[in-house]
Amino acid sequence: AQTVTQSQPEMSVQEAETVTLSCTYDTSESDYYLFWYKQPPSRQMILVIRQEAYKQQNATENRFSVNFQKAAKSFSLKISDSQLGDAAMYFCAYRSAKGSNYKLTFGKGTLLTVNP
Amino acid sequence: GAGVSQTPSNKVTEKGKYVELRCDPISGHTALYWYRQSLGQGPEFLIYFQGTGAADDSGLPNDRFFAVRPEGSVSTLKIQRTERGDSAVYLCASSAAPNEKLFFGSGTQLSVL
Repeated sequence: AQTVTQSQPEMSVQEAETVTLSCTYDTSESDYYLFWYKQPPSRQMILVIRQEAYKQQNATENRFSVNFQKAAKSFSLKISDSQLGDAAMYFCAYRSAKGSNYKLTFGKGTLLTVNP
Repeated sequence: GAGVSQTPSNKVTEKGKYVELRCDPISGHTALYWYRQSLGQGPEFLIYFQGTGAADDSGLPNDRFFAVRPEGSVSTLKIQRTERGDSAVYLCASSAAPNEKLFFGSGTQLSVL
């Protein structure tokens, strides 16, 4: 079974600075997807960024980018120019690309605080 | 609707009671998922519907949990003989197709006293 580990329960960053959230995963599969989700106090999970394992290029969405290291099974999220609205729980998630297995496996999350 | 709607937002019940949690997906979305998020944890998969049928119910913890989606739209998660360990946020998500982007609702916080 796949597992996702987020080793940082909490992180903090100054407004306008850069922060990196860590995620490692374990899988025997070669084709899969990785995601970062943001969960504000409203509880609604919001997709931040998605990476396909077969793509070597790291995904980027505006101020959010990932460092995907397939051999090391590492998938970190970098948030540049942090804003107060970035404060939330962040979850790393894995999904197999095999067959019809569409369920997500999540890590335990990292609580990000943004200081003004 | 504009987004995934879950009702109620909060539900308090007593141990042993029966509860129903409702999910209204985005109109036209064929795929629907239920996840359970315990305190301090990430969401855990419960069940996945494609249309009216449960394509994968491997995450349901035991036979006290059951979910339906009779017309391929609204889904109801049903929990019988609730236990204190069932206390969690129950999240619903939908997507236009199984491999498309997931849209989550704001969840139902279930508290079993």
